[in-house]
Amino acid sequence: AQKVTQAQTEISVVEKEDVTLDCVYETRDTTYYLFWYKQPPSGELVFLIRRNSFDEQNEISGRYSWNFQKSTSSFNFTITASQVVDSAVYFCALSEAPGNKLVFGAGTILRVKS
Amino acid sequence: DGGITQSPKYLFRKEGQNVTLSCEQNLNHDAMYWYRQDPGQGLRLIYYSQIVNDFQKGDIAEGYSVSREKKESFPLTVTSAQKNPTAFYLCASKEAGAREQFFGPGTRLTVL
Repeated sequence: AQKVTQAQTEISVVEKEDVTLDCVYETRDTTYYLFWYKQPPSGELVFLIRRNSFDEQNEISGRYSWNFQKSTSSFNFTITASQVVDSAVYFCALSEAPGNKLVFGAGTILRVKS
Repeated sequence: DGGITQSPKYLFRKEGQNVTLSCEQNLNHDAMYWYRQDPGQGLRLIYYSQIVNDFQKGDIAEGYSVSREKKESFPLTVTSAQKNPTAFYLCASKEAGAREQFFGPGTRLTVL
């Protein structure tokens, strides 16, 4: 069975600090997709990024960057120069066939203090 | 505006009553999903539907039922058989051929 582990339950940082959220996954599929979602206090999940198993290139989008390493089954997410608006729960997820169902980690609560 | 709507945002019911949560999307997405979120936990899949008039059970389908009579609508009924229904319920949809799901704002159900 597929599994996603987010070992960090809660992280607190001061504004402008860099922070990395860890995600480790387990799957027997050779083709799979990984995702990060952000859940602000309003509750709605916001899609951040998708990465497929054949693409190990790191990606940067503004202050966000993602490091995908198949050798360690990890897909970590780094926020550079964190801001108070980054405070949210962040979920890592793995796409499971059939139906492209998402298997979610337990989430990491990020608190950014001013 | 295109998007996914869930109503109501907050719902209170007495124990033993069935309740139906609404999910509508105008994104023309083929697939729709229902997830449940409990405090401090990730989302767990209840039911999903890839096409109209067809749906499959997820990991925690017991005590829930769904229908998919229209492409844009995927209502979830929480029955009295669900032993612990108080939770945050999120609906999602996905375009055919795509991988990422997009989520609605959620409904917080409290059973008194």
